[in-house]
Amino acid sequence: GAVVSQHPSRVICKSGTSVKIECRSLDFQATTMFWYRQFPKQSLMLMATSNEGSKATYEQGVEKDKFLINHASLTLSTLTVTSAHPEDSSFYICSARDRDEAQETQYFGPGTRLLVL
Amino acid sequence: AQSVAQPEDQVNVAEGNPLTVKCTYSVSGNPYLFWYVQYPNRGLQFLLKYITGDNLVKGSYGFEAEFNKSQTSFHLKKPSALVSDSALYFCAVRGFYSNSGYALNFGKGTSLLVTP
Repeated sequence: GAVVSQHPSRVICKSGTSVKIECRSLDFQATTMFWYRQFPKQSLMLMATSNEGSKATYEQGVEKDKFLINHASLTLSTLTVTSAHPEDSSFYICSARDRDEAQETQYFGPGTRLLVL
Repeated sequence: AQSVAQPEDQVNVAEGNPLTVKCTYSVSGNPYLFWYVQYPNRGLQFLLKYITGDNLVKGSYGFEAEFNKSQTSFHLKKPSALVSDSALYFCAVRGFYSNSGYALNFGKGTSLLVTP
């Protein structure tokens, strides 16, 4: 099946710094990637949708200046948490949709655990 | 809005027994329904989906789900549970189309514990 990777898997940073998370589709091209956030024992909340070569679409309540998303190629999307604060600590998961498949199935990355001290 | 509900926070079952994880949906139009599984500190793994066709959908790892339009349900089932099936299970429905395509709306998740 399609594989999506995320890097890093875990990151600890100081408050006020920026953190970049990469999401890659390894064996397929993804015109659309999604970024989710998951709090402990809770469901996934969609943060934004990124399309290759265009601006991301953010969900209501998600600060686009804080969570910068770039989808520079058909296999890479990045999420940058700018000026991170402890409340940004969470599990961030990306997913990607195969350009050549029916548009229903999303393939998920393994997630990135962010801890802001 | 397109949404799903998982009424159980946790399901406990003994190894070898059949398991059911419940999901009900609320949609406008025809539902596109999915089941995903999440192991600790991991991303989600796709199990199966219902788009159209047979109401009984077979997926990965021996799981299946039954689409029931009259009851607006899409319960996940497995005839014989394994300890390794213990994980968090999410039901999801395709949301409305936006300029970026379709996103998924997830249920809150159900924790499955299979005991030896």
